[in-house]
Amino acid sequence: DAGVIQSPRHEVTEMGQEVTLRCKPISGHNSLFWYRQTMMRGLELLIYFNNNVPIDDSGMPEDRFSAKMPNASFSTLKIQPSEPRDSAVYFCASRPTGGSEAFFGQGTRLTVV
Amino acid sequence: RKEVEQDPGPFNVPEGATVAFNCTYSNSASQSFFWYRQDCRKEPKLLMSVYSSGNEDGRFTAQLNRASQYISLLIRDSKLSDSATYLCVVMGRGSGTYKYIFGTGTRLKVLA
Repeated sequence: DAGVIQSPRHEVTEMGQEVTLRCKPISGHNSLFWYRQTMMRGLELLIYFNNNVPIDDSGMPEDRFSAKMPNASFSTLKIQPSEPRDSAVYFCASRPTGGSEAFFGQGTRLTVV
Repeated sequence: RKEVEQDPGPFNVPEGATVAFNCTYSNSASQSFFWYRQDCRKEPKLLMSVYSSGNEDGRFTAQLNRASQYISLLIRDSKLSDSATYLCVVMGRGSGTYKYIFGTGTRLKVLA
C-alpha cells in the first residue's frame, strides 16, 4: 500500500490567494483527519470525517477554512483567502474501521507570503 | 488548559542514559492512549499504544495512570537514533466517534 498520499508537498502562495490541499487516505480506512502543525501550537486537529461525513469541525480556525470528502478515497482542505498566519505543515491521517492507529501522510508545507 | 500537556523539552541526554517523559490529559473520559514519534520534517508515526496495565516494547516502557490522568514513556539505554520528538496522544469520544488529540511533543536529543 502506498500509504496516505498528500499533495502538493510544498506550496508557496501570496496572501489572499486560494489554496487547496489534497489527501488520498489508505484504501479501506473509514476515518480521515486533517491536522495543522506549527512550532507554537503543535499538532492541532482541524476536522475529521467518518465514512465521508464530517463529524467534528470544531478545530477549523475560521470561515476561511473548509474541508470536503466527496468519496472514500479523496479529501480536500481549502483556505480562501489565505493569510500569512496560515503558514504551517498540514497533515492528513486515516484510520481503519475498528483500528486504533492513525497513519499520517507526509504533509503539505504551506507558506503564505 | 490544553487537553493534553507535555513538557516541550528539549531533553539532552548522553547515549546509554534512561530518560522519562510524562504527559497529562484533562478529559477523564478518554479511551485510548498512544505515543507517537516524529522525526524532523517528517510525519508522526506510532511508537506504541499505552495499556492500563503498562506495556513494554524492547527499550521502551509505557505506563498509564488513570486516577492521576497521566501517561509516561521510559526509554532505557538511549541510542542516537532515538533523537526525535515524542508526542503523547489521547483518543476520546467526540461527537459520536473517536478523535485523536496530540500533545505538543517533547524533544529528545541523544548525545554521543
